[in-house]
Parts: sequence; structure tokens; C-alpha cells
Amino acid sequence: GQQLNQSPQSMFIQEGEDVSMNCTSSSIFNTWLWYKQEPGEGPVLLIALYKAGELTSNGRLTAQFGITRKDSFLNISASIPSDVGIYFCAGQLASGTYKYIFGTGTRLKVLA
Amino acid sequence: DAGVTQSPTHLIKTRGQQVTLRCSPKSGHDTVSWYQQALGQGPQFIFQYYEEEERQRGNFPDRFSGHQFPNYSSELNVNALLLGDSALYLCASSLDRGQNIQYFGAGTRLSVL
Repeated sequence: GQQLNQSPQSMFIQEGEDVSMNCTSSSIFNTWLWYKQEPGEGPVLLIALYKAGELTSNGRLTAQFGITRKDSFLNISASIPSDVGIYFCAGQLASGTYKYIFGTGTRLKVLA
Repeated sequence: DAGVTQSPTHLIKTRGQQVTLRCSPKSGHDTVSWYQQALGQGPQFIFQYYEEEERQRGNFPDRFSGHQFPNYSSELNVNALLLGDSALYLCASSLDRGQNIQYFGAGTRLSVL
């Protein structure tokens, strides 16, 4: 099935470090969402982005809608152990569709 | 304020059987989307229901069908189950007149033996 390119695939970081991940595509999107999923749970919405260049924060999380509308970025500052999980980007194409296309996920592990 | 609820949480079926999964949307939402998430993958869009009609469908065979009821709740039916249908099935609800922000339930884990 169709998935967005998300990188890195996984990362181990030390507690207190900053984390960056991104999502890229060859298609143009009009909405980007970032979710976090923990084992046995559904994805939980973290941040929603609606306009090219938009920068939005949610606590220690900051996400940006790429200027080209083909990518998005998520940063986590001063990571803590509870940040462990899988982070997914999801984009809604600009061509009048209702579905979201998800990224392949970034698995984050935080070492205390 | 209840979020998206799905039932059952786990299900085990054998090949060839049929299954029905259920979803109640978040309070105030009128649109339900279903996704399939295979192990280690991101969710894949199956279809979306609005006003009791399927209004968009992903690349899934006709064995996958759904329904939306007047109270906006929804069912996902899968016929003639295959081993490859084993996955986490996620329901997401949204408000049609909003910005289509989708909120997910915890999912139903389906195992086909």
C-alpha cells in the first residue's frame, strides 16, 4: 500500500537530548498530522498542520509544514523516557481526498 | 467526553470465516474512517463513511465492506478471511465540516489462523 517516506526508521537517544524526524513525498499535501502510537494502542494525535510554512508547538513537540507542501518535520526537545513509542506522520493529499496516507513510522527509544 | 471506542479488542478467526468489527465515533463527530495496520507498518486506509454512505475507498478488495448507522456508529465486515487479513483494525472519527482531523480508537486486533 501507499506510504510516505519517514526517517529515521528508528533511533536510540539519551534522556534530555533533542530528536528530529521527517516525512517526505513526491506529492503535494494540504494537511499534515503527527501521531504517536504505543504498543496495543491506537495512534494519538500530537499536532495538526494546515498551511505551508506553518510551525506549531505542543509542549516539547514542534512540527513544521514544509514550504514545498511535500514534507513535514517533527522535533522533540529534551526527551524523557515516556516519549518512547512510534511516531507517524499522516498527510492528506491536496487533490480533494478524504483519506490520510501514513508514513512508515519512526520508532523512538529513550535511554535514561 | 467519550473518545472513539472499538469492539471487540481482540478476535481470533479461521480462514474463510467472516468477521464484524464495530466503532462508535467521538461525541459530535459524524464521519468514520477505517484503517488496517499490519505489524510494523503504518495504517492503510480502507474506506470512509459519511451520511451512511461509503464516500471514499482505498485499495482493498470487495471482501471488505462497511456500514454506518444513523447514530454515526459504524461496522467493518470482512468476508472469506485470509491469513493476510491478520492486523490491527483502526477506526478514526472526524467532523465533516471541520478540518478532517481524525481521532483514532484503540483498535481491534484480528488474528486469522
